[in-house]
Amino acid sequence: KQEVTQIPAALSVPEGENLVLNCSFTDSAIYNLQWFRQDPGKGLTSLLLIQSSQREQTSGRLNASLDKSSGRSTLYIAASQPGDSATYLCAVRRGDAGGTSYGKLTFGQGTILTVHP
Amino acid sequence: DAGVIQSPRHEVTEMGQEVTLRCKPISGHNSLFWYRQTMMRGLELLIYFNNNVPIDDSGMPEDRFSAKMPNASFSTLKIQPSEPRDSAVYFCASSLREQGVSGANVLTFGAGSRLTVL
Repeated sequence: KQEVTQIPAALSVPEGENLVLNCSFTDSAIYNLQWFRQDPGKGLTSLLLIQSSQREQTSGRLNASLDKSSGRSTLYIAASQPGDSATYLCAVRRGDAGGTSYGKLTFGQGTILTVHP
Repeated sequence: DAGVIQSPRHEVTEMGQEVTLRCKPISGHNSLFWYRQTMMRGLELLIYFNNNVPIDDSGMPEDRFSAKMPNASFSTLKIQPSEPRDSAVYFCASSLREQGVSGANVLTFGAGSRLTVL
């Protein structure tokens, strides 16, 4: 059974800092990994998706890396801003026997990020 | 596209009542997922459909829960009878299951339905 763990559970940083959020998963047979952001009382917004064959993806100040063999992903946020405050979740999608993406998405518990001015 | 649309956004009901949550996925998406989120358990997959067919319902808590997808643009999650422990936010999400297509397999979530069972 796939288990996804995110460290730290909560992080508070001053504005402008670069920070790293960690995600680890127990079963490396994944199809892809997706990072989401969730604001309080809202749904999830997809930030980045990394296919199992990729090493990293970048979007603006965000960079996500994937090391499938070690079961790890990191989300790097550069020059953090108060507007980045939210819960960040990583999720891995299992591939089916045919190597396609039937598999379900398993989520970590999230990292609660607070960026204070 | 308006994104994944869920209704109702909030529902408060009494124990024993039937609850029906609705979801309209993004047009063209062929996979639909129902998730439940609570503080204690985080996000849990309840069931997912591919091309309107239920693929994995192992996350459905018990027989009180049922889900249907009669066509590509509509799905329901029903709880009958509801219990206080069912109180949670229920999310519907959809994606396009395709290989080699830009943006495919990205899961897009609805805003959620917050259920409170008294």
